[in-house]
Amino acid sequence: NAGVTQTPKFQVLKTGQSMTLQCAQDMNHNSMYWYRQDPGMGLRLIYYSASEGTTDKGEVPNGYNVSRLNKREFSLRLESAAPSQTSVYFCASSDELAGRETQYFGPGTRLLVL
Amino acid sequence: EDQVTQSPEALRLQEGESSSLNCSYTVSGLRGLFWYRQDPGKGPEFLFTLYSAGEEKEKERLKATLTKKESFLHITAPKPEDSATYLCAVQLVGSNYKLTFGKGTLLTVNP
Repeated sequence: NAGVTQTPKFQVLKTGQSMTLQCAQDMNHNSMYWYRQDPGMGLRLIYYSASEGTTDKGEVPNGYNVSRLNKREFSLRLESAAPSQTSVYFCASSDELAGRETQYFGPGTRLLVL
Repeated sequence: EDQVTQSPEALRLQEGESSSLNCSYTVSGLRGLFWYRQDPGKGPEFLFTLYSAGEEKEKERLKATLTKKESFLHITAPKPEDSATYLCAVQLVGSNYKLTFGKGTLLTVNP
């Protein structure tokens, strides 16, 4: 039982390049989330998916798109990376429908945009 | 605007020196308050959830308490392995279970 996994662990991009961050969970959770963590800012929600087939914007969605591929997988896409998107990205999942709303986090993807 | 404020930003303790971390919140309709621990280079690790004022939860050397305006994470006789950043987050009624995080407290416990 791996919990929440994220790939890649680290990525360097040039401004304007695109990439997709992958997230998968094996806990059969309904809800999945993408956060970014920046020094002095705390964790901020980018997008979330309350269930398979639905996605909603969080606090800082500009410059990102998401896809809930199936119940297990939730990807985050940067279409044209900017230096302001240099951050650590965390995926999380939870299962509110089962009364377990605690979010469990993955190990993170460290992204550097030059 | 809903806000979560953690204090202090950083805390340095000697091994065995007990202390408390604070998380104050100004929100409407608290559904739950969460504490996480985050080690350098890793994702947040869940510690506790508190739902109502007066509630307390314990795990090893950690004890979390909740009032109507704030939560405390008490650390009793800390050890160097308790060094980490401790994050507080609130979940609001009607928020689709989204979490709003504070900026964290960096705890260092010296041997």
